[in-house]
Amino acid sequence: GAVVSQHPSWVICKSGTSVKIECRSLDFQATTMFWYRQFPKQSLMLMATSNEGSKATYEQGVEKDKFLINHASLTLSTLTVTSAHPEDSSFYICSARREGRNEQFFGPGTRLTVL
Amino acid sequence: GNSVTQMEGPVTLSEEAFLTINCTYTATGYPSLFWYVQYPGEGLQLLLKATKADDKGSNKGFEATYRKETTSFHLEKGSVQVSDSAVYFCARSNTGNQFYFGTGTSLTVIP
Repeated sequence: GAVVSQHPSWVICKSGTSVKIECRSLDFQATTMFWYRQFPKQSLMLMATSNEGSKATYEQGVEKDKFLINHASLTLSTLTVTSAHPEDSSFYICSARREGRNEQFFGPGTRLTVL
Repeated sequence: GNSVTQMEGPVTLSEEAFLTINCTYTATGYPSLFWYVQYPGEGLQLLLKATKADDKGSNKGFEATYRKETTSFHLEKGSVQVSDSAVYFCARSNTGNQFYFGTGTSLTVIP
């Protein structure tokens, strides 16, 4: 199968610090990865589309300077929440699209709590 | 616009009951449609999908038919089990393979 991992699985940080979340496709190459945010009892909200070797495409209303995305290789994308604040506390989920297939494989998510 | 609307939960059913979770979509063109399931403490897993009108996706006893005329993709199962307790998300994708999800429907099946 296609496995996507995220690290860390949960993180607690102080307000004003930056947090980096990694998303890896473990057994396939992903030219495109996606980052989502999920609030409690709500759906996943697409934040941005991450393409290997190019700038990410952000959804309307998502601050690109606050949520920095880097897709440095075909198996790794990172999301950095800069100068985190309590309102950034959420569940962040990534997914990776397998080349040639219109299907996304999701990571287990990262729980971010900003104090 | 592009959106997915699904039945609000939570839904509680007795084991072996019939399940329907409604999902409708708005989109330009002909999107692919999906149902994802999220079991407690786990990530999303693809349950089934349909890529064109009148296609029926099926898996683990669940079914959904892509109805272009009603822009719907309702999820059904004839006899639910306790192990089906989870949150179910309807989703659609556009030509750029970006996925848009419904709000999720929590299902609890009691013995």
